[in-house]
Amino acid sequence: AQTVTQSQPEMSVQEAETVTLSCTYDTSENNYYLFWYKQPPSRQMILVIRQEAYKQQNATENRFSVNFQKAAKSFSLKISDSQLGDTAMYFCAFMKLNNNNDMRFGAGTRLTVKP
Amino acid sequence: EAGVAQSPRYKIIEKRQSVAFWCNPISGHATLYWYQQILGQGPKLLIQFQNNGVVDDSQLPKDRFSAERLKGVDSTLKIQPAKLEDSAVYLCASSLEYALGYTFGSGTRLTVV
Repeated sequence: AQTVTQSQPEMSVQEAETVTLSCTYDTSENNYYLFWYKQPPSRQMILVIRQEAYKQQNATENRFSVNFQKAAKSFSLKISDSQLGDTAMYFCAFMKLNNNNDMRFGAGTRLTVKP
Repeated sequence: EAGVAQSPRYKIIEKRQSVAFWCNPISGHATLYWYQQILGQGPKLLIQFQNNGVVDDSQLPKDRFSAERLKGVDSTLKIQPAKLEDSAVYLCASSLEYALGYTFGSGTRLTVV
């Protein structure tokens, strides 16, 4: 079974600084997708960024970028120029490509951006 | 486009009572998911529908949980009877193309007392 581990239950960062959230996963699959979701107090899960395992180039979305290390099974999220609105829970997720394509989540990291 | 709609937003019930949650996915999204998110944990998949058929319900406690998606559009998740450990946020999500990820609703927070 696939497992997703987020080893940092809580993190904080000063506004305008950079922060990196860690995620590791365990799988024997070669083709899969990885995602980072943000969950603010409103509870709605919002997709931040996604990465296809067969692409070596790291995905970027404005201030958000990932460091995807396939051999190490690591998928960290870097947030640059942190803003107060980035305060939220962040979940790393793994999706195996099979008939179901269901998504499995880590336990999350609570990020607080301080003014 | 309109997002994934869920209701109610909050629900408080006593143990052994029954409860139902409703979800209306994004129009055209064939795949619908129900997740359970216990406080302090990541979401856990309960059931996945493709149109009106069940794709995966391996983690659904079938002795008390049931779900249906009539006509392949909106869906209901029911718990009967509820236990204290069912207290959680129940998230509904839908997807058009799995590679693009899921779109989630705002969830229903259930408290069982």
